[in-house]
Amino acid sequence: IAGITQAPTSQILAAGRRMTLRCTQDMRHNAMYWYRQDLGLGLRLIHYSNTAGTTGKGEVPDGYSVSRANTDDFPLTLASAVPSQTSVYFCASSGEMNTEAFFGQGTRLTVV
Amino acid sequence: GESVGLHLPTLSVQEGDNSIINCAYSNSASDYFIWYKQESGKGPQFIIDIRSNMDKRQGQRVTVLLNKTVKHLSLQIAATQPGDSAVYFCAENIGYGGSQGNLIFGKGTKLSVKP
Repeated sequence: IAGITQAPTSQILAAGRRMTLRCTQDMRHNAMYWYRQDLGLGLRLIHYSNTAGTTGKGEVPDGYSVSRANTDDFPLTLASAVPSQTSVYFCASSGEMNTEAFFGQGTRLTVV
Repeated sequence: GESVGLHLPTLSVQEGDNSIINCAYSNSASDYFIWYKQESGKGPQFIIDIRSNMDKRQGQRVTVLLNKTVKHLSLQIAATQPGDSAVYFCAENIGYGGSQGNLIFGKGTKLSVKP
C-alpha cells in the first residue's frame, strides 16, 4: 500500500508559470489537505476537502486552487507562480473524525 | 487570533536520557491533539494523539500529557535514542466550516540526541 503519493518530488518553476502539484491516496480517506512548510513557520493549511466534490479554504489560500473530482486525487494548482510560493508542499489525508492525518513525502517547489 | 506554539525551538539531550517537548495551545475549543515527528526530507509521521477528555496517554517509549487548565501539551520520550533526532510538531484539531479534522501546527522543536 503506497499511502499518499505526491508528484513531482521537486520542481524549479519560472515566475508567472502555471503549475499543478499532484496528490493521490489509496486509503479511501474522505478528507484531504494541502499544507505548505516554511522554515520558522511550521506547516500551514492551504486548502482542504472533506469529501469528493467539496473544497474549502485554509489559512493561506491566496494564489492556490484545488479540485476534488474523486476520492483519491486532490491536485493543487498555482495559476501564476510567484517567488513567495517557494516552499515545501505536503498533501495529507484522514479518515474518521479526530484521527491522525497521513502525509505524503512532499514536493519541494522553487519559484525563480 | 488563536494559535499553537512551542516553548523551545531546539532541544539537545544525551542518548539514554528522557526528553520532554512542550507545546502551548490557545484554542479552548480544540478537542484533539497530535504529536508528529519529521525527519529531514520526509513528511510528518504520526507519533501519538490524545483527546481532550484525557490527561495522559502512553505509547511505546512516548507519553503525551494534556493540561487543559493551562492549555499545555507535552511529549515525553523515554530513553532517547539517536533515531529520535528529528523535528517534533504538536498539532490541534480545529474545524473549518464544519470540516472533520483540519490540523493547526506549532512551529516545531528540533530534538538532537548526543551519543
